[in-house]
Amino acid sequence: DAKTTQPPSMDCAEGRAANLPCNHSTISGNEYVYWYRQIHSQGPQYIIHGLKNNETNEMASLIITEDRKSSTLILPHATLRDTAVYYCIGAGGTASKLTFGTGTRLQVTL
Amino acid sequence: AAGVIQSPRHLIKEKRETATLKCYPIPRHDTVYWYQQGPGQDPQFLISFYEKMQSDKGSIPDRFSAQQFSDYHSELNMSSLELGDSALYFCASSLEGGFNTEAFFGQGTRLTVV
Repeated sequence: DAKTTQPPSMDCAEGRAANLPCNHSTISGNEYVYWYRQIHSQGPQYIIHGLKNNETNEMASLIITEDRKSSTLILPHATLRDTAVYYCIGAGGTASKLTFGTGTRLQVTL
Repeated sequence: AAGVIQSPRHLIKEKRETATLKCYPIPRHDTVYWYQQGPGQDPQFLISFYEKMQSDKGSIPDRFSAQQFSDYHSELNMSSLELGDSALYFCASSLEGGFNTEAFFGQGTRLTVV
C-alpha cells in the first residue's frame, strides 16, 4: 500500500470550503486513492475514491494531480458536523486492506 | 439500508480471559476486515477474509484468531487477554475483495480488559 502524508491538523470556518491535501508519491498504477473520515470513536466513514480522474459525489470532490503523486479532498461547504479525522489511503488489488495513517484532524469552527 | 452489525457493542473481560467478537457484514458483501484502535491511536489492520478465505494479515497477535463463516459473518477470537488489548475493534465489509469499491464500517466493539 502506498505511504501517504497529510498535515496533522487544519481549521476551517463553517460554510467555507475545506481543502485537505494528501501526498502519495509512491502510489502504484493500480492503487486507488481513498478518503475516509472518523468522527470521534465512531466507525470510519467512506467519503470518496478515485484512480486518476477527478471525482465528485454528494459529500465531496476529489482532485488527483496528473502524476497521481498528490490529491486534495474538497468539502465545498463545511459544517460543524464535518469536524473529524480525515484519512487519505492508497489501496488496490483484490481484498485490499485499508492502511490508516495519522490523518488530518479537521476542526470546523463558527 | 442495512449496515455492518457488530456484537457486542461493549465487553468487559479480565486478564487471561477469552473474548469473541462478532461481525455481520452488509448482505451480499463477501469481504470482511478487522481493525483495532487503541486510545488516541489510528485504526490498525488486523486481518481480512475474502470469500471465506484469509486474504491478508496485519499486526494480529498470535493470541488472536478469526474466521469467516459460510454465511459470511466473521468472528474474532481473542485469548489470554492482556490489559493492552483494551481498544475499539472495528469490522468492515465490502464487495468483491474491496477492489475499486468502498468498505463500510460497523460501530465497533469496545473491549475493556481489567
